[in-house]
Amino acid sequence: AQSVTQPDIHITVSEGASLELRCNYSYGATPYLFWYVQSPGQGLQLLLKYFSGDTLVQGIKGFEAEFKRSQSSFNLRKPSVHWSDAAEYFCAVGLTGTASKLTFGTGTRLQVTL
Amino acid sequence: KAGVTQTPRYLIKTRGQQVTLSCSPISGHRSVSWYQQTPGQGLQFLFEYFSETQRNKGNFPGRFSGRQFSNSRSEMNVSTLELGDSALYLCASSLQGTGNEKLFFGSGTQLSVL
Repeated sequence: AQSVTQPDIHITVSEGASLELRCNYSYGATPYLFWYVQSPGQGLQLLLKYFSGDTLVQGIKGFEAEFKRSQSSFNLRKPSVHWSDAAEYFCAVGLTGTASKLTFGTGTRLQVTL
Repeated sequence: KAGVTQTPRYLIKTRGQQVTLSCSPISGHRSVSWYQQTPGQGLQFLFEYFSETQRNKGNFPGRFSGRQFSNSRSEMNVSTLELGDSALYLCASSLQGTGNEKLFFGSGTQLSVL
């Protein structure tokens, strides 16, 4: 069965600093990979996704993620964090053909200091 | 275009009762999936409906059930509520629910079981 690990439960960064959120997955083949963001009391919003092709994926709000097959990783990055980026971030993996059935990581809560 | 609408926003029930949650997908979306989010277990897939048929199912007991109507609206039902069923229940919709689609999430129904 597939699994997703987000090793950082909580990260604090200063506004303007760079950000990297880690995600490792376990799956026999190349999965579909996603990053979602959740603000307090809200549902999840898709930041970006990877299915195939270019391993560097650009998303919304200035986020990007890089798929590294050799490391089974899909880390999320942003060069300069804004205070409005404070939220919880979830990495997820989906089986081929079943993007509606996602396995989520436990999430990383991002705090941004001014 | 209206987003995914979940009603009610909040629910308080007592143990042993049953509850029905509703989800209206984005117009034109035929796939509706449900997730349970708790602090302890994180986000877990419940089931997915497509064209009024359950297409995928997660590892939840039979007390959790759902259905989808011809207009793609979906309901989920939890019978004989337990304290551990307290959670945020999220609904997500997509066009077909296939691998390369984006899921659109509602804001969820917060269920508290007393």
